[in-house]
Amino acid sequence: GDSVTQMQGQVTLSEDDFLFINCTYSTTWYPTLFWYVQYPGEGPQLLLKVTTANNKGISRGFEATYDKRTTSFHLQKASVQESDSAVYYCVLGDSGYNKLTFGKGTVLLVSP
Amino acid sequence: NSKVIQTPRYLVKGQGQKAKMRCIPEKGHPVVFWYQQNKNNEFKFLINFQNQEVLQQIDMTEKRFSAECPSNSPCSLEIQSSEAGDSALYLCASSLSGGSYEQYFGPGTRLTVL
Repeated sequence: GDSVTQMQGQVTLSEDDFLFINCTYSTTWYPTLFWYVQYPGEGPQLLLKVTTANNKGISRGFEATYDKRTTSFHLQKASVQESDSAVYYCVLGDSGYNKLTFGKGTVLLVSP
Repeated sequence: NSKVIQTPRYLVKGQGQKAKMRCIPEKGHPVVFWYQQNKNNEFKFLINFQNQEVLQQIDMTEKRFSAECPSNSPCSLEIQSSEAGDSALYLCASSLSGGSYEQYFGPGTRLTVL
């Protein structure tokens, strides 16, 4: 079945540092890939979306590029802020009924 | 910001009791999903609907869990006989359609089974 792997359980940075969160996926379908962010006490919210048609998503300074060859979908941001502290999930969409498969999440802690 | 409404935000039940939670999807979204997020932040898909029809559900949902999305009423997820292992955050999400459309989540109902 579909699967998503996020190896980094936690990333700790200082403000203005570069962020890179690794994600790889496995699916037999043409994937739609998402990054969701979850703040304490809230549900996940969509950060960005990429399909095989557009390959790259950019939102709020974050960007992610879909690489079919390596089946990767890494998240990057050039300069993080303390307000970016949250849990980030790499998510794979099922092209059938659109059930989402979540990675285990990466906790991002940004100190001022 | 998502406009999916979930009630109640917190629910405390004893083992064997029924637990019911509700969801109002974002206006104009015909597809509704329920997920379970456990304390390790792992997500499990439970069931989804398009309008009032079930599209897909997992085995767990077919046994102690029941869900419905009646016309002109909130969607609901009910656990017939709660177990300690059901303690989790239950998230409702809605989307425009199947395929590659993004899902918008509510804040969740946190269920604690004592």
